[in-house]
Amino acid sequence: KAGVTQTPRYLIKTRGQQVTLSCSPISGHRSVSWYQQTPGQGLQFLFEYFSETQRNKGNFPGRFSGRQFSNSRSEMNVSTLELGDSALYLCASRRQRGTNTGELFFGEGSRLTVL
Amino acid sequence: GNSVTQMEGPVTLSEEAFLTINCTYTATGYPSLFWYVQYPGEGLQLLLKATKADDKGSNKGFEATYRKETTSFHLEKGSVQVSDSAVYFCALSELGPNNNDMRFGAGTRLTVKP
Repeated sequence: KAGVTQTPRYLIKTRGQQVTLSCSPISGHRSVSWYQQTPGQGLQFLFEYFSETQRNKGNFPGRFSGRQFSNSRSEMNVSTLELGDSALYLCASRRQRGTNTGELFFGEGSRLTVL
Repeated sequence: GNSVTQMEGPVTLSEEAFLTINCTYTATGYPSLFWYVQYPGEGLQLLLKATKADDKGSNKGFEATYRKETTSFHLEKGSVQVSDSAVYFCALSELGPNNNDMRFGAGTRLTVKP
């Protein structure tokens, strides 16, 4: 069974640009969550999508957005990039929502560097 | 709100030493508790979990017991190996109005030296 796949793995952008990251969840998983990981702030929750709807959102500015497609694949977009957006962006999937026992399965992440 | 506090690192041990990484949590109800591990250059992967009080999760020689009375879920291993060098995250998930995300601790970096 294929794991969570994130693309691209590495990318470099400059301030003011925008970026789109992609995540393909494990087959059959309908919930996709996004996290930002930085050395200073650790793992911070961005948002969760389920059935093409954003179900939960973390405390990030509106420059961070996402969407989910009917096949459960998800994208996140960051507009007007800032230096502080440099981070590892992790996608995680799980089969369902509404259960606190369901583990998250993580991809390897997309490492974004903003110059 | 729900939160997880874990001991700050980094932790450096010699091979075969005993490992403890402390984790305490705050939750309004009855969360499930998890330990995730992140090896260099990789995403997080589940190490073990416990879903109710007094449950013990175990995997690859690691253990953690869900202690409701002390709101703790400390990770232990009797004899660490160089290959255990990684960052370890304690996390909780609680069924609630938001049916929300996993809450993670700040992570503890473990380095095991030969």
